[in-house]
Amino acid sequence: SQTIHQWPATLVQPVGSPLSLECTVEGTSNPNLYWYRQAAGRGLQLLFYSVGIGQISSEVPQNLSASRPQDRQFILSSKKLLLSDSGFYLCAWSRGEGQPQHFGDGTRLSIL
Amino acid sequence: GESVGLHLPTLSVQEGDNSIINCAYSNSASDYFIWYKQESGKGPQFIIDIRSNMDKRQGQRVTVLLNKTVKHLSLQIAATQPGDSAVYFCAEWGGSQGNLIFGKGTKLSVKP
Repeated sequence: SQTIHQWPATLVQPVGSPLSLECTVEGTSNPNLYWYRQAAGRGLQLLFYSVGIGQISSEVPQNLSASRPQDRQFILSSKKLLLSDSGFYLCAWSRGEGQPQHFGDGTRLSIL
Repeated sequence: GESVGLHLPTLSVQEGDNSIINCAYSNSASDYFIWYKQESGKGPQFIIDIRSNMDKRQGQRVTVLLNKTVKHLSLQIAATQPGDSAVYFCAEWGGSQGNLIFGKGTKLSVKP
């Protein structure tokens, strides 16, 4: 069966510090991969998605970036965090477009 | 513009009763819909999906109904249990790669 792992589960970072969140998927190959952010009491906002190694599409312009160095690895990064970057970050995978997306358990990011 | 919304932000039901969670969508071109359950501190969990060529789909204790005429989606949970307490999201796929649009969610509380 397929599994998705995100880490860390929680993270507290100072403003201006860098960020690296990692997501890996097991049990499938060539998945579509997604990064979402969820603000408290709100729905999910798609940040980035990838249909293959090295292919990244950005949905929202911001100071975050994503990379996919390996087939089943998706990384969310920032060079300098802002207060507004606080939130719950979720990684997801799917077999393709128009297919269910399956989520990891997220990273709670707090910026101080 | 495209939007997915919910009629009720909170729903409280008695254990054993049936629950109905509603969702409205505005993009008549959307052809795939998903219901997710999100427990506190966790990522959304896939419950059930339906494509636009169907009106109804049943799973274990859950049924999704799709009314394309009025662009309305509902999730019915039979014999609601305390473990069903969570936030439920509907999601709409408009046909664009990665473009899964989520509603804000309905919080379901089950009273023992």
